[in-house]
Amino acid sequence: GNSVTQMEGPVTLSEEAFLTINCTYTATGYPSLFWYVQYPGEGLQLLLKATKADDKGSNKGFEATYRKETTSFHLEKGSVQVSDSAVYFCALKVIQGAQKLVFGQGTRLTINP
Amino acid sequence: KAGVTQTPRYLIKTRGQQVTLSCSPISGHRSVSWYQQTPGQGLQFLFEYFSETQRNKGNFPGRFSGRQFSNSRSEMNVSTLELGDSALYLCASMQGRQETQYFGPGTRLLVL
Repeated sequence: GNSVTQMEGPVTLSEEAFLTINCTYTATGYPSLFWYVQYPGEGLQLLLKATKADDKGSNKGFEATYRKETTSFHLEKGSVQVSDSAVYFCALKVIQGAQKLVFGQGTRLTINP
Repeated sequence: KAGVTQTPRYLIKTRGQQVTLSCSPISGHRSVSWYQQTPGQGLQFLFEYFSETQRNKGNFPGRFSGRQFSNSRSEMNVSTLELGDSALYLCASMQGRQETQYFGPGTRLLVL
């Protein structure tokens, strides 16, 4: 089946630190990969996506590269800000088949000033 | 364009009651999906509607149902509410079959 595994949280960093949130996946088809972010009391916002192997998604200083050989889609940011504090979800959607997102468990990120 | 809107934002119900939640997709989007978010189970897919037809369904009991109208607006209904139905219910819309899903702010349901 299809599944996503994210690194356990919570993650606490100081402002301007380097961020990595690991994400690995298992998929029966050829998935598109996504990172969504959820701020307190809100829904999910699309952060970035990649639709094929070696694609790099980027947005707001965040980046993730679709690595088919390691089935990974790790999220990185070079210098985090307090405003990046949120819960981050890695997700996949298989092109063939049900049009549903399969999510990881989420990683809570807290950035201290 | 306006984003996905969901009403109401908050609901409190008691066990045994039923509830209806509403979702208006982004203009031009024909697919609407529903997800349940709980601390224990995370984000789980409920169902997807496209052009008024249920296209996919997750692993939830029959108490959970939905429908989509000709203007793509969707409703989901939960009958005979249980305490475990307390959750954030998220709606997402998508333009075509292989597009990105965009989420609404969610409806937070508390069952007492």
